[in-house]
Amino acid sequence: GENVEQHPSTLSVQEGDSAVIKCTYSDSASNYFPWYKQELGKRPQLIIDIRSNVGEKKDQRIAVTLNKTAKHFSLHITETQPEDSAVYFCAATFSGSARQLTFGSGTQLTVLP
Amino acid sequence: NAGVTQTPKFQVLKTGQSMTLQCAQDMNHEYMSWYRQDPGMGLRLIHYSVGAGITDQGEVPNGYNVSRSTTEDFPLRLLSAAPSQTSVYFCASRSRVQGKLDEQYFGPGTRLTVT
Repeated sequence: GENVEQHPSTLSVQEGDSAVIKCTYSDSASNYFPWYKQELGKRPQLIIDIRSNVGEKKDQRIAVTLNKTAKHFSLHITETQPEDSAVYFCAATFSGSARQLTFGSGTQLTVLP
Repeated sequence: NAGVTQTPKFQVLKTGQSMTLQCAQDMNHEYMSWYRQDPGMGLRLIHYSVGAGITDQGEVPNGYNVSRSTTEDFPLRLLSAAPSQTSVYFCASRSRVQGKLDEQYFGPGTRLTVT
C-alpha cells in the first residue's frame, strides 16, 4: 500500500553543523513531496516542498533533493541553529486517495548549543 | 483570514460518549482532511473531502464519521468514544492552483482524551 518511510527517528547535531533527513516512498506516480516542521504543542507548518519535475530546491538554509528513480527524497538543513530543534515530517501524495498526503513517522531534531 | 480553525482545543470524554470536533476554513479551499497524531506514528489520515458533498475514507476511518455540507466546514464525529481514540486531531485544507494541489494548511489541533 501507500507508504512513506522516514529516517532517522531522532537526530542530534551541534549548532552550526548540517542535518540530513531521508524519506522513501512506494508509489512511482507520486508527484508532490512537502516537508513540515512541528514545534512542541504546535501545528505542522510547511517549510519546503518539491514537485516531481524538479531534482532540487533550496530556500536559504534548507534544501530538498528528489531522486525519482530510487524513490527517495531528503531534507538538508545547513548551519543549524537551536531554533531548528523540532519534529520534521516528510510527506508524499499518492495516485490513490485523491492525492491526499501520506506522512512519514517524523524525525526529532535536536540542535545542541 | 483566520485560516483553518478548530474547536475545541481540549476535550475529555468518557468511554461510549459521542462528540463532534469542529473544523472551518475561510480560504475557499476545495480539499479538507482530518488526521490523528499519535506519538511515534506521524500523522494518519482519517477522512477527507474533495468538495462539498463528497467525502471518503483515509487510512484509519473506523469509529469516525464526517460530512461536508458546505465548502467551509468539515466536522468530525466520534460515534462512541474509546480509549484508543485518545490522540491529537488536526484538520487541514488545500486548494488547487493551476490544476495542481497547493500547500496544505493545518488547524491548531484538538487534544482529545478518552477515559
